[in-house]
Amino acid sequence: DTEVTQTPKHLVMGMTNKKSLKCEQHMGHRAMYWYKQKAKKPPELMFVYSYEKLSINESVPSRFSPECPNSSLLNLHLHALQPEDSALYLCASSQGRGGVTSSYNEQFFGPGTRLTVL
Amino acid sequence: AQTVTQSQPEMSVQEAETVTLSCTYDTSENNYYLFWYKQPPSRQMILVIRQEAYKQQNATENRFSVNFQKAAKSFSLKISDSQLGDTAMYFCAFMPGANSKLTFGKGITLSVRP
Repeated sequence: DTEVTQTPKHLVMGMTNKKSLKCEQHMGHRAMYWYKQKAKKPPELMFVYSYEKLSINESVPSRFSPECPNSSLLNLHLHALQPEDSALYLCASSQGRGGVTSSYNEQFFGPGTRLTVL
Repeated sequence: AQTVTQSQPEMSVQEAETVTLSCTYDTSENNYYLFWYKQPPSRQMILVIRQEAYKQQNATENRFSVNFQKAAKSFSLKISDSQLGDTAMYFCAFMPGANSKLTFGKGITLSVRP
């Protein structure tokens, strides 16, 4: 299994709703990432989990709350979002830090969740 | 801080022809990795090719090859025998050896004309 799966594919929510995005991988990767991507723009890194511990938080607003229950799962909890948070949210995974070859660091991306905040 | 520059926002190429996408970067690191990612209209981000900075030989993956000029900090992607399925947005990305943070360029939209 060499893929990263994300659910749901599409999500529409109001500004007062609470929802969660889910990401799963079964490649034995120990690093997982959340990115936000606006149309025609590069992905912007939000969070990095390394060995189930949050290692990078790119100053993301607290209305986004990541969670890594185990090495295969990554969640992104959403609460009180704004319309400008509408975007494609991408999850990625890689083997982990400290590798000496690029294949060790290669990030595999999921298909994304398209989020619309009304 | 590292920067990745893709100065061409759009390119178009005739099917079966060859096209080169340019990318430059700036870093003070000596050991790092460079990637080209493809994102078709379906939006799934796929790795096209990767290059380790310590390797002098240019990476090649079937119709895709890179021209890696370390001194010039240039990393261009050549697509030979372009196919309609190559239509996508292409992102150049940089990763320092010390951590896993990817820095992406702004991307280039490539259209392959039939």
